[in-house]
Amino acid sequence: TQLLEQSPQFLSIQEGENLTVYCNSSSVFSSLQWYRQEPGEGPVLLVTVVTGGEVKKLKRLTFQFGDARKDSSLHITAAQPGDTGLYLCAGTNNDMRFGAGTRLTVKP
Amino acid sequence: NAGVTQTPKFRVLKTGQSMTLLCAQDMNHEYMYWYRQDPGMGLRLIHYSVGEGTTAKGEVPDGYNVSRLKKQNFLLGLESAAPSQTSVYFCASSYSSWAEAFFGQGTRLTVV
Repeated sequence: TQLLEQSPQFLSIQEGENLTVYCNSSSVFSSLQWYRQEPGEGPVLLVTVVTGGEVKKLKRLTFQFGDARKDSSLHITAAQPGDTGLYLCAGTNNDMRFGAGTRLTVKP
Repeated sequence: NAGVTQTPKFRVLKTGQSMTLLCAQDMNHEYMYWYRQDPGMGLRLIHYSVGEGTTAKGEVPDGYNVSRLKKQNFLLGLESAAPSQTSVYFCASSYSSWAEAFFGQGTRLTVV
């Protein structure tokens, strides 16, 4: 069992739809990070949230850190085919632990 | 800018053979990590280091050893490879535990 549980594991939607993916844990983290990974490459950071209740917006992406700093969500508005990829959350304390990821496919 | 460089990129080992994966970073980062990525499992932490000369176990350390003799290098060793160690291995480095982690391109290891 991984420290961070991500849901859903797979998500396939049409271009223009909205979606939310979740990252949950029973542990408290100093910060929570979201990464996106393309095939054959390493993950690349999207955002870091550090304060309970914090909300960050990056264009069409909205990230929220839970009040208790145990969970987070990523909301994408009007998804585009370029959003296709593996989305990973990572919790940090003394080290960095990842969830299993959500594989998103956005069809044109 | 090189960032994080992993060598080799691909390797096939026979069961029982040993090998060392090298990770080098040129960003003067204190933290370095080794992960393995298997289908449906995301990234699982093998070992990590918070500075030169230090190492610590992660989630799945059995069968692996590491060394951080120089700040810029983090080595991952497999003493006696097993088919269960077939995976893609990623190295990462960061300024601190909460800072952005920069990843290498990965090493695809197959143990037959």
